[in-house]
Amino acid sequence: GAVVSQHPSWVICKSGTSVKIECRSLDFQATTMFWYRQFPKQSLMLMATSNEGSKATYEQGVEKDKFLINHASLTLSTLTVTSAHPEDSSFYICSARGRLGIYEQYFGPGTRLTVT
Amino acid sequence: DQQVKQNSPSLSVQEGRISILNCDYTNSMFDYFLWYKKYPAEGPTFLISISSIKDKNEDGRFTVFLNKSAKHLSLHIVPSQPGDSAVYFCAATTAGNTPLVFGKGTRLSVIA
Repeated sequence: GAVVSQHPSWVICKSGTSVKIECRSLDFQATTMFWYRQFPKQSLMLMATSNEGSKATYEQGVEKDKFLINHASLTLSTLTVTSAHPEDSSFYICSARGRLGIYEQYFGPGTRLTVT
Repeated sequence: DQQVKQNSPSLSVQEGRISILNCDYTNSMFDYFLWYKKYPAEGPTFLISISSIKDKNEDGRFTVFLNKSAKHLSLHIVPSQPGDSAVYFCAATTAGNTPLVFGKGTRLSVIA
């Protein structure tokens, strides 16, 4: 149980275009989803927290107009990188926390974004 | 200010021996601690957790120890296997729907 999927697993896009990444909890309802970014050889950086049906809470330094997060249902959250630039190239990982437990977060496999 | 610290970026251990990964935290409000394992280009996988009301939790080859007075926890893997080679993240959180705070990770290499 507690499976989280992400789509796509990798994407290459041109500078200035937008990219949408989907995160789904497959076998549980995720009341809260989190979006992380990982740079090479660095830790996971929390970008935002989203609760189903409400606006996402962004961490300091994360541009909410650039990284649009939507958590429209208990099983789906999306991250849209708008007007992508090469510096947005990174590994994006989502995680979900549901009614299975209060503390554990279950992570998706990640999405490698490359902006050319 | 880094609230969760993993001071050893890497660790090498012989197969069959014990691996000990350490983690320190500064926020006394943390009351739940977790360890995750991560392979390159994959999401972290939950390994084991411990509540602040306990000082030890065991699951197969994995044991987590918590020393609240020292604000220190450790993950013991015994016996270590080559498949355990990965980056291990320590994470902590408080009660309620707050996100996990992660350390920077320790890369474990188990040598056959």
